Amino acid sequence: AQSVTQLDSQVPVFEEAPVELRCNYSSSVSVYLFWYVQYPNQGLQLLLKYLSGSTLVKGINGFEAEFNKSQTSFHLRKPSVHISDTAEYFCAVTKYNNNDMRFGAGTRLTVKP
Amino acid sequence: DAGVIQSPRHEVTEMGQEVTLRCKPISGHNSLFWYRQTMMRGLELLIYFNNNVPIDDSGMPEDRFSAKMPNASFSTLKIQPSEPRDSAVYFCASSAGGFSRHEQYFGPGTRLTVT
Repeated sequence: AQSVTQLDSQVPVFEEAPVELRCNYSSSVSVYLFWYVQYPNQGLQLLLKYLSGSTLVKGINGFEAEFNKSQTSFHLRKPSVHISDTAEYFCAVTKYNNNDMRFGAGTRLTVKP
Repeated sequence: DAGVIQSPRHEVTEMGQEVTLRCKPISGHNSLFWYRQTMMRGLELLIYFNNNVPIDDSGMPEDRFSAKMPNASFSTLKIQPSEPRDSAVYFCASSAGGFSRHEQYFGPGTRLTVT
């Protein structure tokens, strides 16, 4: 079955600094990859997705991620973070031919002033 | 669009009681998912439905858990009898068909506490 590993459980960063949240996946077949964000006491919200085509995908709130098949990675980046970006971020993977989505353990991003 | 609606938002119950969580997916979506989130285990897929039919329930922890989707606009997740280890946040999500089938929209969750 497909799976994802988020390499950092917590990432503290200062406001306006760049950030990278790391995600590696494993699967024997083609996959689709996603990043979701969860604000306190809320459900998950889709940030961006990679289905096919360009390996650099842009999402909401200034985030982007790059699909790297050779390294089986899908790292999330933002060049300059805001206090409001403080949240839990989840990487997720699903096989192209089913709806069974697997989530990583999450990375808690804390943006400090 | 109202988004995915879940009720109740909070539920506190005693061990042994029956608990029913409810979900209304986004209108027009034909896939529905139930997840459980805990600190220890993270986000786990319990079961999902396509066109009201359960497709994969391998994530349902045990026979105490059951889920139904009697029509396209309503689903329930039932725990009977409930146990303290069932305490978690339960999320419902839905997605549309076709090329958008993998884009899931989550509800706000139901925080369940079993004492």
